[in-house]
Amino acid sequence: GQQVMQIPQYQHVQEGEDFTTYCNSSTTLSNIQWYKQRPGGHPVFLIQLVKSGEVKKQKRLTFQFGEAKKNSSLHITATQTTDVGTYFCAGRGYGGSQGNLIFGKGTKLSVKP
Amino acid sequence: DAGITQSPRHKVTETGTPVTLRCHQTENHRYMYWYRQDPGHGLRLIHYSYGVKDTDKGEVSDGYSVSRSKTEDFLLTLESATSSQTSVYFCAISESGGGRGNQPQHFGDGTRLSIL
Repeated sequence: GQQVMQIPQYQHVQEGEDFTTYCNSSTTLSNIQWYKQRPGGHPVFLIQLVKSGEVKKQKRLTFQFGEAKKNSSLHITATQTTDVGTYFCAGRGYGGSQGNLIFGKGTKLSVKP
Repeated sequence: DAGITQSPRHKVTETGTPVTLRCHQTENHRYMYWYRQDPGHGLRLIHYSYGVKDTDKGEVSDGYSVSRSKTEDFLLTLESATSSQTSVYFCAISESGGGRGNQPQHFGDGTRLSIL
């Protein structure tokens, strides 16, 4: 079945350093979504990418969708302590049960002040 | 935050007992989902609903059943709870889903379930 792999599992950075998490799908995706979950909280939608090669920015966050629509990345520039949490990608396939979101296992980000 | 209420928020019960978790939404969204979240596994889909009385299985549906008799309520039942079902359970909603939509999912605050 469809799988979404996310790396790294953990990332520890010093405040001000950059951070990147990568997501790879075993199949071509119709779109990919990114979520953030703060410690003790629930996942919160960040953004959705639909087009091949798409790049979107939200302040210090840059999201990319690969040309083949099988991989994606989230890059945070100059991390802050407020960026702490687990970042999940979630890929959606095409049609039927493949249309359900498949979540990666997440990258847990810790930021040292 | 989207109007999603999960109840109970915490529950401790014994192996073999039935457990029902409730998700209530005030957004009138068509799609509702139940996920479980375990360390090292991320979020895994248990069941989902695409309308009243319309439900389907997700990735990890064994041992779980669901019901949706009203648009606003989606119930998850563990008929005979086992220790392997100890987890955090999240309900989510979306305006559309499956192969017919690209809408984001909005999550409830979760239910922490411990089965001893």
